[in-house]
Amino acid sequence: KQEVTQIPAALSVPEGENLVLNCSFTDSAIYNLQWFRQDPGKGLTSLLLIQSSQREQTSGRLNASLDKSSGRSTLYIAASQPGDSATYLCAASYSGAGSYQLTFGKGTKLSVIP
Amino acid sequence: SAVISQKPSRDICQRGTSLTIQCQVDSQVTMMFWYRQQPGQSLTLIATANQGSEATYESGFVIDKFPISRPNLTFSTLTVSNMSPEDSSIYLCSVRDYEQYFGPGTRLTVT
Repeated sequence: KQEVTQIPAALSVPEGENLVLNCSFTDSAIYNLQWFRQDPGKGLTSLLLIQSSQREQTSGRLNASLDKSSGRSTLYIAASQPGDSATYLCAASYSGAGSYQLTFGKGTKLSVIP
Repeated sequence: SAVISQKPSRDICQRGTSLTIQCQVDSQVTMMFWYRQQPGQSLTLIATANQGSEATYESGFVIDKFPISRPNLTFSTLTVSNMSPEDSSIYLCSVRDYEQYFGPGTRLTVT
């Protein structure tokens, strides 16, 4: 059974700092890995998706990397802003029961202090 | 990308009652997914809903408790039956295109 772990559970940084969020997964036979953002009481917003054949993806100030051999992914946020404050979830997708299913980590709650 | 809407956005229900959550997608999709997010926890898949067939439930979830309808390729409902306080969660509808997309969620509180 795939397990996804995110460390740390919470992170507080001053505005402008660069930061890295970590995600590890137990089964390297993933189809892809997706990073989401969740604001309090809201649904999930997709940030980046990395296919199993890719090493990284970039969108604006966000860069996500994937290392299947070590079972790790990182989300790098450059020049953090207070608006980046949210919970960040990673989810590993794998093939099962005729469809691709996501296994989520518990998330990292990020607070960016002005 | 897919745009997903859910109704209701939130509700407070009494123990023993049932609530039906609606999910509408702006495009036709083969599979729709229902997730639950309990307080302080991550998302757990409840079931996968295919149009024209019975939903496939994950371990720990049963049809009698969470009946699902999928009448067409853009719509699905999830019913939470005979509710107890332990059912208080955010329920999210999701679809997969190239990426996985989620609705805004339904926040359910059972008293």
